[in-house]
Amino acid sequence: NAGVTQTPKFQVLKTGQSMTLQCAQDMNHNSMYWYRQDPGMGLRLIYYSASEGTTDKGEVPNGYNVSRLNKREFSLRLESAAPSQTSVYFCASSEAFRGRNQPQHFGDGTRLSIL
Amino acid sequence: KNQVEQSPQSLIILEGKNCTLQCNYTVSPFSNLRWYKQDTGRGPVSLTIMTFSENTKSNGRYTATLDADTKQSSLHITASQLSDSASYICVVSAGTDMRFGAGTRLTVKP
Repeated sequence: NAGVTQTPKFQVLKTGQSMTLQCAQDMNHNSMYWYRQDPGMGLRLIYYSASEGTTDKGEVPNGYNVSRLNKREFSLRLESAAPSQTSVYFCASSEAFRGRNQPQHFGDGTRLSIL
Repeated sequence: KNQVEQSPQSLIILEGKNCTLQCNYTVSPFSNLRWYKQDTGRGPVSLTIMTFSENTKSNGRYTATLDADTKQSSLHITASQLSDSASYICVVSAGTDMRFGAGTRLTVKP
């Protein structure tokens, strides 16, 4: 079982460049999430998709956009990268939106550096 | 101030020893508390979940406790192994709101 697959694993960008982080899950989960993880801080929610066809802002959405392409895929786009967006980005999925007692399944992250 | 505080930030122990990680939270109203293990370079993986009515839950050598009155949880690791070296993250849910702790970095040395 692949679970949650993220691509790319590493990326270096220059300030102002754009890129899209890809995420796909094969568990038939309804909900998907994008988080960022910074040193000394807990995971912070950027955007989520509670179900196919819906997306909503999380705690730190500024500078990002998302697309729920279908039930399997949820992409995160940086339109004009800034050094403050240097981070490790995690995609996660769950059966229902933060449902009772249901764990989130995480990908292995994309390590993004912006110079 | 983070609503989920974990201590210590980092911990080094010798293989075979026990250790206890702490999680204090102010998230309210409490739904559940989950412990995740995150190996270096990997995503977090769920270890165990505690609901309001549960005081203790075990998963192999991992035992989680919850005191909902004092809003504290602990994760006890027994007879540590080198493979236990990882970050351990406490996540507290209040309805659909989830708050992540910054994690405790555990290093087990031979």
